[in-house]
Amino acid sequence: EAQVTQNPRYLITVTGKKLTVTCSQNMNHEYMSWYRQDPGLGLRQIYYSMNVEVTDKGDVPEGYKVSRKEKRNFPLILESPSPNQTSLYFCASSLSQGGNYGYTFGSGTRLTVV
Amino acid sequence: GQSLEQPSEVTAVEGAIVQINCTYQTSGFYGLSWYQQHDGGAPTFLSYNGLDGLEETGRFSSFLSRSDSYGYLLLQELQMKDSASYFCAVSDDSNYQLIWGAGTKLIIKP
Repeated sequence: EAQVTQNPRYLITVTGKKLTVTCSQNMNHEYMSWYRQDPGLGLRQIYYSMNVEVTDKGDVPEGYKVSRKEKRNFPLILESPSPNQTSLYFCASSLSQGGNYGYTFGSGTRLTVV
Repeated sequence: GQSLEQPSEVTAVEGAIVQINCTYQTSGFYGLSWYQQHDGGAPTFLSYNGLDGLEETGRFSSFLSRSDSYGYLLLQELQMKDSASYFCAVSDDSNYQLIWGAGTKLIIKP
């Protein structure tokens, strides 16, 4: 089944404790992206990648890191999480970034930083 | 700046037709997309318009007018399972990243 797999689904952590949210897709998509979703704000892009070893900042990259060492994986790293990073996170992938092929989203990761 | 406007909430009756509007103000334009998101779920792709006109996919249709910077999603024969939030998103022609609206919560009454 074609899908984007995110882990974990839920995570509660403490301020400053490094964490990684994994994202993997099995569709051979070149484009991958991370979003955070907060009530009333829609989806805001954190980082995106157009291919292996090619990543770029989105609208809200502060406090986040990403890497794209393999085509299928695009982990999101929070080196020192803070409470304002409490949010619902989605990973997405697509054949192209323009939206014409549609984005496939993972199931989401609900992160709480206390 | 770049912005998308869509109503925050729309209410309709089961079996009826509803239209969700989206107006955008962006520096460039490549296409307009629509996504559906049920509570607690992930967004799922519904449609894409790159050119003016109507695109139909089953009970759902999407329309674009580039000259008016305007589009809409039309849902026909509403079913209770259509209760969800609907997001429009515009990709501009500079970096092709999607810019998202804040979403429209569709409430369907029996």
